[in-house]
Amino acid sequence: GAVVSQHPSRVICKSGTSVKIECRSLDFQATTMFWYRQFPKQSLMLMATSNEGSKATYEQGVEKDKFLINHASLTLSTLTVTSAHPEDSSFYICSASPPGGHNEQFFGPGTRLTVL
Amino acid sequence: KNEVEQSPQNLTAQEGEFITINCSYSVGISALHWLQQHPGGGIVSLFMLSSGKKKHGRLIATINIQEKHSSLHITASHPRDSAVYICAGSTKTSGSRLTFGEGTQLTVNP
Repeated sequence: GAVVSQHPSRVICKSGTSVKIECRSLDFQATTMFWYRQFPKQSLMLMATSNEGSKATYEQGVEKDKFLINHASLTLSTLTVTSAHPEDSSFYICSASPPGGHNEQFFGPGTRLTVL
Repeated sequence: KNEVEQSPQNLTAQEGEFITINCSYSVGISALHWLQQHPGGGIVSLFMLSSGKKKHGRLIATINIQEKHSSLHITASHPRDSAVYICAGSTKTSGSRLTFGEGTQLTVNP
């Protein structure tokens, strides 16, 4: 099946710093990528939908200036958590959807962010 | 009320038992996904179905469009099946955007 990778898998940073998370589709081109966050014991929460070559669409309540998304190519989307605070500590997961994929989504392994 | 609801929330079984996880949805969907999330966090897509039944190894997924209900079955369960199982739906208007159930934590004891 299709493979989506994320990097890094874990990151610990100091409060106030910025962290970039990469999501790559390794063997297919993804016109759409999704970014989710997941708190312990909870389900995934969609943060934004990233379309190649255009601005991301953010869900209500998600600050676009804090969570910067760039989908620069058909195989790479990045999420930058700017001026991170401890409450941003979470598990961030991306997924990628191939064009004409009939609603298929392939998920990355996730990134565990801890902000001290 | 969530648009996608799963039951049970938690399920404990003995190795070898037949397991059923249920998913009900209140909106019309074009595709229903079953996902598996292991303790490490990574998510694997198990099935995507819009009608009927699909089988992969010991896993079977069924969907009844009229009743807005889907089930995931695991035959001959094994401790390595222990994970969170999540159902999610996508609609014709939402495209690939998914609405998630809250997940079912399955623990299979040896």
